[in-house]
Amino acid sequence: NAGVTQTPKFQVLKTGQSMTLQCAQDMNHNSMYWYRQDPGMGLRLIYYSASEGTTDKGEVPNGYNVSRLNKREFSLRLESAAPSQTSVYFCASSRGPNTEAFFGQGTRLTVV
Amino acid sequence: GQQLNQSPQSMFIQEGEDVSMNCTSSSIFNTWLWYKQDPGEGPVLLIALYKAGELTSNGRLTAQFGITRKDSFLNISASIPSDVGIYFCAGLPVDSNYQLIWGAGTKLIIKP
Repeated sequence: NAGVTQTPKFQVLKTGQSMTLQCAQDMNHNSMYWYRQDPGMGLRLIYYSASEGTTDKGEVPNGYNVSRLNKREFSLRLESAAPSQTSVYFCASSRGPNTEAFFGQGTRLTVV
Repeated sequence: GQQLNQSPQSMFIQEGEDVSMNCTSSSIFNTWLWYKQDPGEGPVLLIALYKAGELTSNGRLTAQFGITRKDSFLNISASIPSDVGIYFCAGLPVDSNYQLIWGAGTKLIIKP
């Protein structure tokens, strides 16, 4: 099983450009998450989805939108990238909200 | 927002030594999780704790859910080179059903 697959692994954007980070899981999990990880800090939740068609804001949602396309896929969109969004982005999934979360390998995004 | 204080920030130890790290919070948590992150990878769950006072082991790793529900500890016995990485604690506050709060991580470095 692939687990949680994120694409792309690396991306460089210019300020103002848009892009979508893709995430798919093959574990039939209900819950999916998008986090960002910055140096010296723990993971911070951007958005959460409890099931297909539902999303909730996390700690740092500003500048991002998400879409839970189906049970497998949860995408993160940056409409107008800013240098402050330079970070490593992780997608994760879990069976439920309080159970073990499995993480993808991350997307390293640089906004110049 | 809520924060977890994780200490130490980094540890330099000799192979074979025991390791201890902890996380504390000003508020009460329902769940404590300990993850390990290797370079270029997403975090992987090591131990999950769901009850105050709970002591759980996973091989050479032992973690405890503090009796006050405001702290947790992770111990690694007889460290080996593959223990190198960043260890994160994460907690689920009583007033949240999905938004984990993450510590900033403890970087473990083993001296040859």
